[in-house]
Amino acid sequence: DAGVTQSPTHLIKTRGQQVTLRCSPKSGHDTVSWYQQALGQGPQFIFQYYEEEERQRGNFPDRFSGHQFPNYSSELNVNALLLGDSALYLCASSSGWDSPTYEQYFGPGTRLTVT
Amino acid sequence: LAKTTQPISMDSYEGQEVNITCSHNNIATNDYITWYQQFPSQGPRFIIQGYKTKVTNEVASLFIPADRKSSTLSLPRVSLSDTAVYYCLVVMNNAGNMLTFGGGTRLMVKP
Repeated sequence: DAGVTQSPTHLIKTRGQQVTLRCSPKSGHDTVSWYQQALGQGPQFIFQYYEEEERQRGNFPDRFSGHQFPNYSSELNVNALLLGDSALYLCASSSGWDSPTYEQYFGPGTRLTVT
Repeated sequence: LAKTTQPISMDSYEGQEVNITCSHNNIATNDYITWYQQFPSQGPRFIIQGYKTKVTNEVASLFIPADRKSSTLSLPRVSLSDTAVYYCLVVMNNAGNMLTFGGGTRLMVKP
């Protein structure tokens, strides 16, 4: 049973560019959340998708957008990249909108470096 | 959202029991205490969750006093592979609520 997968593993972009990160949830899961983790800090919630809609959003600017597809996979898009966007981007999946929140399974993350 | 406070770092030796205490003075009635573990360059992994008293699984034990203003994660007989960052979270047991991570406790297990 495959867990949460993310692609690419690493990415290097230039300031001002746009980037798309991808996530496939754990089999049987239909809710996907995205987190940003700066070096040495805990993950920070970006947003969460369920039934192809953004359900909750953390304190991130509109440059961060996302999408969820009918097969529950998800994309995170970041426009006009800033140096401060360099971080590990984590995807977490869970099952059902009314399942306990603690049951979130994280992927290995995508390391984004903005130069 | 209840804020958590935990030590920034801890050192231990192989075979010892490690206890990491987390304070969450503003915990609400519907909140659960949840602990995650994170190894370098990996996503966090759920360890244990509890509401009150004691919870034990194959990995750890979680002790929660009656006032629920603090909790203690207990790792029995740690090994080098337990070196990681441990996060204490307070989570409302409703779907759709985001996980709010603090800085975590960096545990270093020495031989």
